[in-house]
Amino acid sequence: GAGVSQSPSNKVTEKGKDVELRCDPISGHTALYWYRQSLGQGLEFLIYFQGNSAPDKSGLPSDRFSAERTGGSVSTLTIQRTQQEDSAVYLCASSLLAGYEQYFGPGTRLTVT
Amino acid sequence: ELKVEQNPLFLSMQEGKNYTIYCNYSTTSDRLYWYRQDPGKSLESLFVLLSNGAVKQEGRLMASLDTKARLSTLHITAAVHDLSATYFCAVDLNQGGKLIFGQGTELSVKP
Repeated sequence: GAGVSQSPSNKVTEKGKDVELRCDPISGHTALYWYRQSLGQGLEFLIYFQGNSAPDKSGLPSDRFSAERTGGSVSTLTIQRTQQEDSAVYLCASSLLAGYEQYFGPGTRLTVT
Repeated sequence: ELKVEQNPLFLSMQEGKNYTIYCNYSTTSDRLYWYRQDPGKSLESLFVLLSNGAVKQEGRLMASLDTKARLSTLHITAAVHDLSATYFCAVDLNQGGKLIFGQGTELSVKP
């Protein structure tokens, strides 16, 4: 079956612009997670959803970052007024339920110039 | 704050040799995952370890978990070039799915 998909695969944006990253989880998976991977910081948790609720958003780096999930399916991660330090690969994962094995998408590589 | 530390961070092996990657974590958890990442690719799940003493094997890789020592190991037997990749361990902090990752171990297997 289809795995986790993310779009776009690559995004180059100018400093100060807003960006939206999209994640489509595996069908039937109720939990969805966002992580980011950068050379300096490694793999970091950002936020997770159980259904449309976000019980843990402790990893969001600043109030420029927000995420939502609608219909218990697609999620978007929005970064406002992007900064160069936001450049990273943003990974989405989903699992059947929170705490179950997570399956990762291919990621979105964000470059802020 | 949970910290997850892997060692070594870089490992160059010859084909046919055995080696072990270690993953230490700082607070109690009995849910640990191992992932593989190839260059430019996403994370592929290798093992899910859910209890003290859990041992899982797949091909030339074997993972184990000792929750009392807060230690997991990934053992490589008779390495082959195809195993070259970066390996991450990750601990589920509250069994709610928030994964805390180790730094990753970059493995290179040479003929």
